[in-house]
Amino acid sequence: AQSVTQLGSHVSVSEGALVLLRCNYSSSVPPYLFWYVQYPNQGLQLLLKYTSAATLVKGINGFEAEFKKSETSFHLTKPSAHMSDAAEYFCAVNIQGAQKLVFGQGTRLTINP
Amino acid sequence: DSGVTQTPKHLITATGQRVTLRCSPRSGDLSVYWYQQSLDQGLQFLIQYYNGEERAKGNILERFSAQQFPDLHSELNLSSLELGDSALYFCASSEGQVGSGNTIYFGEGSWLTVV
Repeated sequence: AQSVTQLGSHVSVSEGALVLLRCNYSSSVPPYLFWYVQYPNQGLQLLLKYTSAATLVKGINGFEAEFKKSETSFHLTKPSAHMSDAAEYFCAVNIQGAQKLVFGQGTRLTINP
Repeated sequence: DSGVTQTPKHLITATGQRVTLRCSPRSGDLSVYWYQQSLDQGLQFLIQYYNGEERAKGNILERFSAQQFPDLHSELNLSSLELGDSALYFCASSEGQVGSGNTIYFGEGSWLTVV
């Protein structure tokens, strides 16, 4: 069964600091991996996705994520946090051929001024 | 704006009642997905339709049902509502099926409060 674990339900960083949100997946076959962001009272918006091309994936708003097969990880990073990055972030995994996208529990990112 | 439209945005109803949530997918998208988001359960996949046919089922209760119509819009029917059904219900759509790496685009959700 496919699953995804996000380490840390809450992450707090200072404005201008590095953002690192952790995601580990469980899959016996190569997965497709996604990061979504949810701003308050809004739906989920795709940040980036990995579909077995380049292992370093660049997304919107300066975010990027690196697929590491050996570590079964797909951590999300941004070099310098902005106040507007405050939101909930979800990692999701889809196994090739499976018909559902499974989400992690989410990580709430707070940016301190 | 993702292009996925959900109505109503907010709904308050009493226990035991029945409600219908409606979703219009992005233009050209054949797949529709329903998710439930609650504080204790997180984002849970409920069900997926592709071009009118049910293709995958998740943690959907028997009191809940869904369908996708020939014009590709979808409805999620929730009956015999309980307090625990209070949640944010998302509809999402994709051009193809998610197992091919297609991106799923989410609507803004329907907030259901059961009192």
